[in-house]
Amino acid sequence: GIQVEQSPPDLILQEGANSTLRCNFSDSVNNLQWFHQNPWGQLINLFYIPSGTKQNGRLSATTVATERYSLLYISSSQTTDSGVYFCAVEPYTDKLIFGTGTRLQVFP
Amino acid sequence: DAGITQSPRYKITETGRQVTLMCHQTWSHSYMFWYRQDLGHGLRLIYYSAAADITDKGEVPDGYVVSRSKTENFPLTLESATRSQTSVYFCASSEPTRTSGYTGELFFGEGSRLTVL
Repeated sequence: GIQVEQSPPDLILQEGANSTLRCNFSDSVNNLQWFHQNPWGQLINLFYIPSGTKQNGRLSATTVATERYSLLYISSSQTTDSGVYFCAVEPYTDKLIFGTGTRLQVFP
Repeated sequence: DAGITQSPRYKITETGRQVTLMCHQTWSHSYMFWYRQDLGHGLRLIYYSAAADITDKGEVPDGYVVSRSKTENFPLTLESATRSQTSVYFCASSEPTRTSGYTGELFFGEGSRLTVL
């Protein structure tokens, strides 16, 4: 089956720093989403982005489907950005598969 | 504007007991999903439903039963709970479009933390 790898597994930042999270996948997909799981466990949909670039405030995402990766950019990080960021992909022959996540800690 | 709600949020039960986790969504999404989240395994799909009275197995369906008599509700039942079913359970819903793939844009409930003693 498809492999979904996220890097880095852990990231520690000071408030105000920028970061890039990466999601690599091993096969063609027709659906890619980014989620944020906050420290209270809530899973929030950040982006539905099977290809191209989207921006939402300080967050933006880019998916290069032909090269099988997606990037999530967080600019001017805040403590509320802490949590785990998941990439999820849907191959053409299966349901949505989640990566193992990147754990982000932002300190004041 | 509740969106998708799960109940109970926390549940402690004993091995062998039946437990039902409830999921209700107000968006009239056609698709609903149950995932479990465990350390070391991430999020894994248990069951999903494409519409009322249509359900199908996901990656880890053993020991679980689902039903969907109404579009807005998708209960998950553990008929005889085991310790290995201790987990956080998430319900989700989506409304796929022609180009969004099978799942569409996914929205999660707040989760139900289940402990089986």
